[in-house]
Order: sequence, then structure tokens, then C-alpha cells
Amino acid sequence: DVKVTQSSRYLVKRTGEKVFLECVQDMDHENMFWYRQDPGLGLRLIYFSYDVKMKEKGDIPEGYSVSREKKERFSLILESASTNQTSMYLCASSLGLNLQNTQYFGPGTRLTVL
Amino acid sequence: DAKTTQPNSMESNEEEPVHLPCNHSTISGTDYIHWYRQLPSQGPEYVIHGLTSNVNNRMASLAIAEDRKSSTLILHRATLRDAAVYYCILRDEIQGGKLIFGQGTELSVKP
Repeated sequence: DVKVTQSSRYLVKRTGEKVFLECVQDMDHENMFWYRQDPGLGLRLIYFSYDVKMKEKGDIPEGYSVSREKKERFSLILESASTNQTSMYLCASSLGLNLQNTQYFGPGTRLTVL
Repeated sequence: DAKTTQPNSMESNEEEPVHLPCNHSTISGTDYIHWYRQLPSQGPEYVIHGLTSNVNNRMASLAIAEDRKSSTLILHRATLRDAAVYYCILRDEIQGGKLIFGQGTELSVKP
């Protein structure tokens, strides 16, 4: 079974702190994604990566950056956390960007910024 | 972007079949229809996908209308573990790998 793991299930940070969310997949997938999920807004794509060291902006990249130094690991960075970044963050991976490729999601990290 | 419309919520009894509808009247010829579900406190998980023909897998069946303007996810025997939010998603070439999640249908299953 494909496994996508995220470093924390719950995280509480203070405004202005730098926050790292880590995601690891064990299926040698090319593509990895970061989404955030908010009530009433559904899931929205923040960034994705289709190869090591490659990244593409999603719909809401402002306030976030990403890093992909190894194929299996994709990190989401909040340079200076703000309260409006309180959300559920979901990482996903897929073998390719083919329209039939399945995305596999991690369990999510619920981030609260105080 | 082609959009999908789903009922906000549905109820089912355990062990009975469930038919979850999705309307996508602006679907284009190359859009794939994907279904994902999200159980409470978990990330979304893939259920099934199709293009034109009906599809079956171990989790569910997908019935696609002949004009492709609607589809139905069928759970043949609902269990309590099937209680989740079900998302019907269209994937097109322009969006590439991105999944655009709508509000989905919240399915509750009564024992």
C-alpha cells in the first residue's frame, strides 16, 4: 500500500514563527502536492512538485514556500506564520500527472497559529 | 473549469445500496470523472474514476450517463465505515494533476 506520512497530526505555533511541515511518501512517486482544507472552501492547492528541486505554484501560494531536495520528501514552509494560516494541511503524491493517476493523501496536519 | 454539483448530504441504512449523484453538465470530452472520499479526521482517499464507460472496483461502481453530463457513485452495501464526505471531481488536461474539490456529499449511515 502507498503510504504518505506527515510529520505531525497537530501543531500549535505563534504568529511570526517559521513553521515546517514535512511530508514523506514511500512509493517513489514523481509528483507531490500540498493542499489546505478550510470549512466552506474545500481543498485548495498551495504548491506542487513534479520532480526533485522542481516546484509549481498552485492556487494560493502566497505566504508559503516549499522544498523538495529528495524525491520522497516534500516540505511546506510558512516563513512567518499568521493566524489566517490556521488550517488543515494535506500532502498528497501521485505517480504522474496523467489524468488517470490517483493521488494518495496523508492524514493531514491541523495547524493552529495563535 | 467544468464544475460538479452534488447534494450536500445523504442518509443511508447499513447494508443497503447507496447511489450518490453528481451533475457535470459542462464536462468536456477529455475530462475524467474521479471520486474521492474523506473519512472523519483523515485525508481524502481515491474511490474510483472513469471516462465514458461504467466502472467497477472493490470499493464501488461508477455509472456514467450516456451524454456524460451526470454520473452516480454506487456503494453496493453501505457499512458504518462508509460514512464520509464523497467528492466528485473532473480532471482535465489544462489542470493537469490538480484535483479541484467541491463541497462534496456528506453520507451518513444508520445502523
